[in-house]
Amino acid sequence: NAGVTQTPKFRVLKTGQSMTLLCAQDMNHEYMYWYRQDPGMGLRLIHYSVGEGTTAKGEVPDGYNVSRLKKQNFLLGLESAAPSQTSVYFCASSYSHRLSGANVLTFGAGSRLTVL
Amino acid sequence: AQSVTQLGSHVSVSEGALVLLRCNYSSSVPPYLFWYVQYPNQGLQLLLKYTSAATLVKGINGFEAEFKKSETSFHLTKPSAHMSDAAEYFCAVSDGGFKTIFGAGTRLFVKA
Repeated sequence: NAGVTQTPKFRVLKTGQSMTLLCAQDMNHEYMYWYRQDPGMGLRLIHYSVGEGTTAKGEVPDGYNVSRLKKQNFLLGLESAAPSQTSVYFCASSYSHRLSGANVLTFGAGSRLTVL
Repeated sequence: AQSVTQLGSHVSVSEGALVLLRCNYSSSVPPYLFWYVQYPNQGLQLLLKYTSAATLVKGINGFEAEFKKSETSFHLTKPSAHMSDAAEYFCAVSDGGFKTIFGAGTRLFVKA
């Protein structure tokens, strides 16, 4: 089982460039999430999706856009990268909380982004 | 609003010693509580979860956590540390909805 797969694993951008991070899950999970991890700040939710074609803002959505055209994929876009977006990005997925009660997240291995 | 506070960004123990990682939460509704572990250059993995079935929760790799409502705590323990336990540990809280709120993390060092 692949679980949650993120691509690319590493990327270096210049300020103002754009890029897209791809997340794919093969567990038929309803919910998908994008988090960023910064030292001393834990994980902060950027955007999430509760189903195909729906997305919503998390704690730190500014400067990011997302799309979920297919149930298994969740894309995170940076339209104009800034040094403040240097971080490690994690995608996660889970079953609907209505089915499982507790929302147990399955994480990808992360994508390390550096913006110069 | 929910929040999680992990006391101590770094904890160092000797191999074979007790591991205690502290977590306090704030929630206006009965919470779901989690501990996740992150090994170097990997994503987070679920260690254990509390869903109101039992206050003492056992997880993988010999870890356990006790939910104490009166103290709003969910501390993680392991009787005897192993070198392979060195990792970063995150406490998290959910109200049972879409979102999970994570603490800042505690890095555990295990000395030989």
